Amino acid sequence: AQKITQTQPGMFVQEKEAVTLDCTYDTSDQSYGLFWYKQPSSGEMIFLIYQGSYDEQNATEGRYSLNFQKARKSANLVISASQLGDSAMYFCAIDDYKLSFGAGTTVTVRA
Amino acid sequence: EAQVTQNPRYLITVTGKKLTVTCSQNMNHEYMSWYRQDPGLGLRQIYYSMNVEVTDKGDVPEGYKVSRKEKRNFPLILESPSPNQTSLYFCASSFVGLSGANVLTFGAGSRLTVL
Repeated sequence: AQKITQTQPGMFVQEKEAVTLDCTYDTSDQSYGLFWYKQPSSGEMIFLIYQGSYDEQNATEGRYSLNFQKARKSANLVISASQLGDSAMYFCAIDDYKLSFGAGTTVTVRA
Repeated sequence: EAQVTQNPRYLITVTGKKLTVTCSQNMNHEYMSWYRQDPGLGLRQIYYSMNVEVTDKGDVPEGYKVSRKEKRNFPLILESPSPNQTSLYFCASSFVGLSGANVLTFGAGSRLTVL
């Protein structure tokens, strides 16, 4: 079974609007971490945000927030006030006993 | 500047010709790993290393070798490359932050084509 499922291969969003990227995960561990990374067209991988499984509050980093729903095994990324520079591929990842990535979601921000 | 440096960035080679992709980090990280990225599959781990002289297989280790003789270096070796190893390769290193997060710092990527 896939450890990380990202069901949206590609999305379009209007500049200044918010966008939610879906991520569901599969693990039997009680202790794990969830990550989101951004990959712009230039190819580098950029760490965005982290959520620990025991963290009671949703993680936030500037315009990024992680909507963590533990019972549903969901860790959606919300980008508020989208900017043209947010156009990129976004990867969700889980670190339980090892780090596993999803297939990614491509976001295109329209002016 | 804290970084992970991998070389070469681009390489075209032929089937069976041994090649090495170097990876070096200057952050004194204990953990290093190699990933390959293929369309629709995301990043898949090839090998990882928890410390010097300690390496372990990831999800797709077949056809690859690694070594960790020094903390800063973690080369990826393709002894006899085949076309199915055509991919984008990333080296990464990490620390465990105050939050307990194992945050990866990635190299810029190496695009390998095997003809």
